[in-house]
Amino acid sequence: QPALTQSSSASASLGSSVRLTCTLSSGHSNYIIAWHQQQPGKAPRYLMKLERSGRYNKGNGVPDRFSGSSSGADRYLTISNLQSEDEGDYYCETWDSNTHVVFGGGTQLTVL
Amino acid sequence: EVQLLESGGGLVQPGGSLRLSCAASGFAFSNYAMSWVRQAPGEGLEWVSATGGSRGRTYYADSVKGRFTISRDDSQNTLYLQMTSLRVEDTAVYYCAKGAEMGDYLSHFDYWGQGTLVTVSA
Repeated sequence: QPALTQSSSASASLGSSVRLTCTLSSGHSNYIIAWHQQQPGKAPRYLMKLERSGRYNKGNGVPDRFSGSSSGADRYLTISNLQSEDEGDYYCETWDSNTHVVFGGGTQLTVL
Repeated sequence: EVQLLESGGGLVQPGGSLRLSCAASGFAFSNYAMSWVRQAPGEGLEWVSATGGSRGRTYYADSVKGRFTISRDDSQNTLYLQMTSLRVEDTAVYYCAKGAEMGDYLSHFDYWGQGTLVTVSA
C-alpha cells in the first residue's frame, strides 16, 4: 500500500514563495495525490488534485497563488506571494480506490 | 453550496459506544462515496472509514475494523459512524468528508465538514 512522506515543518517570509514536498513510497510513483490546507483551529480545506504528469485541478475558490507540480515520486505544492493566512498545516493524501485512503504526516508552514 | 454538518460527539467511557452523524446538502449525496477522517489532539489526519456511492461498498482502516460501522441513509442525505468498544486512543475530532468522484470507489476528498469532538476517558 502507498505511503506519503512530508517534511514536518517549513517557513518562508511574507510575500515570498515556498514549495512543499510530498513523496510517494517506492513502487507507487504513479499515484495521484491531493493537497489539503488546515489553518489553525479550522477544518481541512481541499486545495488540489495533482497527477504524476504535473497536471493539477484546484478546488473552488483556491487562489491562483497555489500551484502544483511533480517529479518522479515527488509531488509539490508551491505557494507564491505568501500571505499570513497561508500559515497552517498542509497534508497530502492518496488512495487505493478499492481499499483505503492515506495521508502524509503534514507540514507545518510558518509565514515569517 | 456543499455543506457537511457533523453531530453526535461527546464524552464516553472506555468500552462505550457512540454514533456520529453527518448531514449533507448541496450535492447529489447518493452518487458519492463519503468518508470519516479523524484527528487526535495535536496530531495529523487519519482516514477511518468510507462508504461507496452506488453499491454501498464499505471500507475501514485496520485500527477500527470490527469496532466501527459506517452506514448511510440516502433518503435523508446523512452519513453515520457507529463506534463501539471505544478506546482512549479513539479520542479525536471526527470529520465527515465527501469523495470528489462519483461512484462506489475511493477517491480524494473535495469537501470537509467542521468536525465533532469525541473524547474517550474514564
